[in-house]
Amino acid sequence: DAKTTQPNSMESNEEEPVHLPCNHSTISGTDYIHWYRQLPSQGPEYVIHGLTSNVNNRMASLAIAEDRKSSTLILHRATLRDAAVYYCILRDQSSAGGTSYGKLTFGQGTILTVHP
Amino acid sequence: GAGVSQTPSNKVTEKGKYVELRCDPISGHTALYWYRQSLGQGPEFLIYFQGTGAADDSGLPNDRFFAVRPEGSVSTLKIQRTERGDSAVYLCASSLGLWDEQFFGPGTRLTVL
Repeated sequence: DAKTTQPNSMESNEEEPVHLPCNHSTISGTDYIHWYRQLPSQGPEYVIHGLTSNVNNRMASLAIAEDRKSSTLILHRATLRDAAVYYCILRDQSSAGGTSYGKLTFGQGTILTVHP
Repeated sequence: GAGVSQTPSNKVTEKGKYVELRCDPISGHTALYWYRQSLGQGPEFLIYFQGTGAADDSGLPNDRFFAVRPEGSVSTLKIQRTERGDSAVYLCASSLGLWDEQFFGPGTRLTVL
């Protein structure tokens, strides 16, 4: 699986936007970019995913660079509940990548601290 | 609706004992995954089921670990002759299909003394 690189930690203030970067310079054409987050003492939860175009949902936005070698998860107004570890994950969803059977390969993630 | 549930939430055992960890996936989800998370690390894949069969068990660390899903719903992760290094949070996830988002349970914290 292609590797992702994220900062170990980031800080934000409540109600301010947060931009969480992820580098994936070895991404392949069939890799989707997924983001999950893990709140303290909970299992991970899905946030968003995309392939080439920017994506928006009720939780966040995903901005994907034109060359796809990096992406940014955007939380538009951070709340205290957004304090979590954020994981950027690549999933090869082509038939050739089918042997991965959809498993998620987590890295260390970014620890996001939100200050009141 | 009900999410993924895991029992027990905490399990303390002694080195050498046998343990079983249970996962109840979301109803109708055909795919089920087990992950293990050590302190300060991201979750690590163990095994994946599609229906009743284990489609990929490449993440199981050794033959002391085994998992079943006999009726395509509930799954049990079994660990024989537990070792202190097995101490971790064991997470279960399910998804509707292979490439759909995975829904995780709260995990079982296993402590081997």
